[in-house]
Order: sequence, then structure tokens, then C-alpha cells
Amino acid sequence: RKEVEQDPGPFNVPEGATVAFNCTYSNSASQSFFWYRQDCRKEPKLLMSVYSSGNEDGRFTAQLNRASQYISLLIRDSKLSDSATYLCVVPNSGGSNYKLTFGKGTLLTVNP
Amino acid sequence: DAGITQSPRYKITETGRQVTLMCHQTWSHSYMFWYRQDLGHGLRLIYYSAAADITDKGEVPDGYVVSRSKTENFPLTLESATRSQTSVYFCAATGDASYEQYFGPGTRLTVT
Repeated sequence: RKEVEQDPGPFNVPEGATVAFNCTYSNSASQSFFWYRQDCRKEPKLLMSVYSSGNEDGRFTAQLNRASQYISLLIRDSKLSDSATYLCVVPNSGGSNYKLTFGKGTLLTVNP
Repeated sequence: DAGITQSPRYKITETGRQVTLMCHQTWSHSYMFWYRQDLGHGLRLIYYSAAADITDKGEVPDGYVVSRSKTENFPLTLESATRSQTSVYFCAATGDASYEQYFGPGTRLTVT
């Protein structure tokens, strides 16, 4: 299994739709996980952190399934402004150097 | 609060030239990172630094050199640029005891 693997996408959804992305990871010892958002031609920005079974922030819900080693991101009531690439991020195996491994990203386009 | 700045934002250089990309943080975060982002590969770690005068290789270090004489600065040098180094380069920083990385706006480098 690759260190971090995401749905290849792209996802094209209408405004108001609910969309979910999945991500699998290989390091079973990982304790924290992240979803970053990257707009076109911009830098990645932290969207959500997941330290336990899940996290919810408004329309966004991140869930963690440790047994199956996957993380999901659910976006409810999609807005045009949600169009972006979503990166699944997992700390590197071992060490205390705070390195992260980034998935290749899933492109979401929300259409009017 | 500027966070992380990168310069130049855009650079065109010729094969064989030396070029230095600058990264500056206004915090005093210990860890700093350099990534390159290419289509089909996502973000890949080039070098990272745990503190001033402490640097280490990431996933794709060949052809790059870094230094960190001051905590706030982390320049990346391409000693002899090649076309394969055409990419978008991001600098990032994270505070102690945290995996949450904050990114600069990126430098778009084209090697002709």
C-alpha cells in the first residue's frame, strides 16, 4: 500500500450536493491526519485536523477509520467556493522530525 | 502578520545557471521544509530543517542545496539548473510539537 493514496477524481458536483473523498494510508502508527485545501495556483492551506475518530467543522466532516486505515472528508451543501484540490496528509513513519506525506490530491469542481 | 514569504515569486533561468529561492518566516518556528509540486507527483519533500544549522534530505534532494544560518531564513539553491527542475516550489514551517505546516505562496521556476 502506498503511504497515502487518494481518490483520483476529478469530482464534478452541482451546488448543494454532498460529496465525499476517501484516503488510505499505510502507516498504522499514525496518530494524526490532516486535510489541506489548495486553490488553483495557490499554496496548500490546512482545512482540518483529525486526531481521534473524527472532526466536524460546519459543512465539513472528517472521519477516521483506524482499523481499515482510511480517512474521509465529507462536504455537505457544496458551494462554488469549495472548488479546489483537497490533499490528504499523513505524518511520515517514525521519527520526530514532523515530516508529512501528501497525497496527490483530489480535484473538486462545484458547478452552478 | 506575513507568516511565510518566498522570493522571487516567478523565475525563468537557463540550464546550467545557479539560482537561489528565498524563504523567510516572521515567526520563530523550528521546522522548515522545501517542497516541489509537479503534475502527477503531488508535493514532494526536497529538504527540511529542524533548527538553525540542522538540515536533512527529503525525498528528492539531488541537485539542490540548502542552508539555515538563521532560524527565520531557509534558502534553497539549485547549483546547476536543469529542465527537470522546472516546478512550483513551496516553503513551509511548523512550530514545535505540531505537524500542522504553514506554506508560503510558492515560487514558479522555469528552466529553459
